[in-house]
Amino acid sequence: DQQVKQNSPSLSVQEGRISILNCDYTNSMFDYFLWYKKYPAEGPTFLISISSIKDKNEDGRFTVFLNKSAKHLSLHIVPSQPGDSAVYFCAASFGNEKLTFGTGTRLTIIP
Amino acid sequence: ETGVTQSPTHLIKTRGQQVTLRCSSQSGHNTVSWYQQALGQGPQFIFQYYREEENGRGNFPPRFSGLQFPNYSSELNVNALELDDSALYLCASSLVTGMGYEQYFGPGTRLTVT
Repeated sequence: DQQVKQNSPSLSVQEGRISILNCDYTNSMFDYFLWYKKYPAEGPTFLISISSIKDKNEDGRFTVFLNKSAKHLSLHIVPSQPGDSAVYFCAASFGNEKLTFGTGTRLTIIP
Repeated sequence: ETGVTQSPTHLIKTRGQQVTLRCSSQSGHNTVSWYQQALGQGPQFIFQYYREEENGRGNFPPRFSGLQFPNYSSELNVNALELDDSALYLCASSLVTGMGYEQYFGPGTRLTVT
């Protein structure tokens, strides 16, 4: 039972444009959502998070949007840079419980 | 403030053997979680330790066990290794202070079972 889904295994975006990564979840009990970035041979690096009481959170070039009614969140990266090329995982948790991860989206930024 | 470190980086074991993986948490973090990441998948939660006690477990058999020590270090032990145990094992530490928290991951240990 995949409670967190990232339906796009890969995404290619031109440098300078907006990258939009999507994530859907099925468990309405989730109340905290996170995005991680992973380079090869490294562990996931925390990027940005949002609690269920908000619908938007910004940090520099990164913005996460949460649509609770649709059980959908997205990560926007503007402008996209070559160093953003990595695998992006969305994750969700309930209270202080474990993180449940999606399967990841490989983002490639084309110079 | 040091980050999360894991050892060894790579490990090759034979089916049926036992393995111990080690993790040093970020200073001041009271919680450590272990995850298994198979190829092409997201990390899967194995278990979590909070102040040296197990505080939640995923869908993994009892041959996966762990320990957390007062100095914030942690171990993951796997007995009777199976071929399907081949994966990247990630340790993550965090400071639980309220609703929602960020986990900080180490670089992982790549385990290959032959």
